[in-house]
Amino acid sequence: EVQLVESGGGLVQPGRSLRLSCAASGFTFDDYGMHWVRQPPGKGLEWVSLITSDSGTVGYADSVRGRFTISRDNAKNSLYLQMNSLRVEDTALYYCAKLHSSGYLGYFDSWGQGTLVTVSS
Amino acid sequence: DIQMTQSPSSLSASVGDRVTITCQASQDIINYLNWYQQKPGKAPKLLIYDASNLDTGVPSRFSGSRSGTDFTFTISGLQPEDIATYFCQQYNNVPLTFGGGTKVEIK
Repeated sequence: EVQLVESGGGLVQPGRSLRLSCAASGFTFDDYGMHWVRQPPGKGLEWVSLITSDSGTVGYADSVRGRFTISRDNAKNSLYLQMNSLRVEDTALYYCAKLHSSGYLGYFDSWGQGTLVTVSS
Repeated sequence: DIQMTQSPSSLSASVGDRVTITCQASQDIINYLNWYQQKPGKAPKLLIYDASNLDTGVPSRFSGSRSGTDFTFTISGLQPEDIATYFCQQYNNVPLTFGGGTKVEIK
């Protein structure tokens, strides 16, 4: 059974940093692209970032480019999101999502339960 | 960026009713359109990929279709367990974008 477990969320002041992790199990992690998708409280879904299975391609939403960095450690079956210069508008539930293929475009066939990031002074 | 205009934003229907949700893409996305179901307090779940393909284990009352840049999601007979918010998502290019969501309630 595929499992994705996010961690690292919490309350942080504007301008500070946070690192999210996503621990994957139940599938061959290094065969699949991975994404981060976020959802502000009571609102819709917003795509944040992507990384291919071999880390050869990464991508970011305009709203986070230059502040967030996605990475993965295939030896540890883990996905990461380093978030710097956090803003109030980054407050959201952050999901890691497994892509159906090794690339970076497609559909998300598994999602974690999310980790909540709250940016507030 | 490709905009996905989803409608309605909410609807109320009776058990057994046919429910239809639409997503219109701002440009051609071929059939690169997926539908997800999100129940309260839960993560989204894939229902339909590539406009009309049902994911494994998804009940056959769910279906999807495409006409040009217009995509339709249908529940052929609404069940109480279908109460959720439904989102479309395009993957023709980056950034991936989602529709605003449709909250489905029981009348």
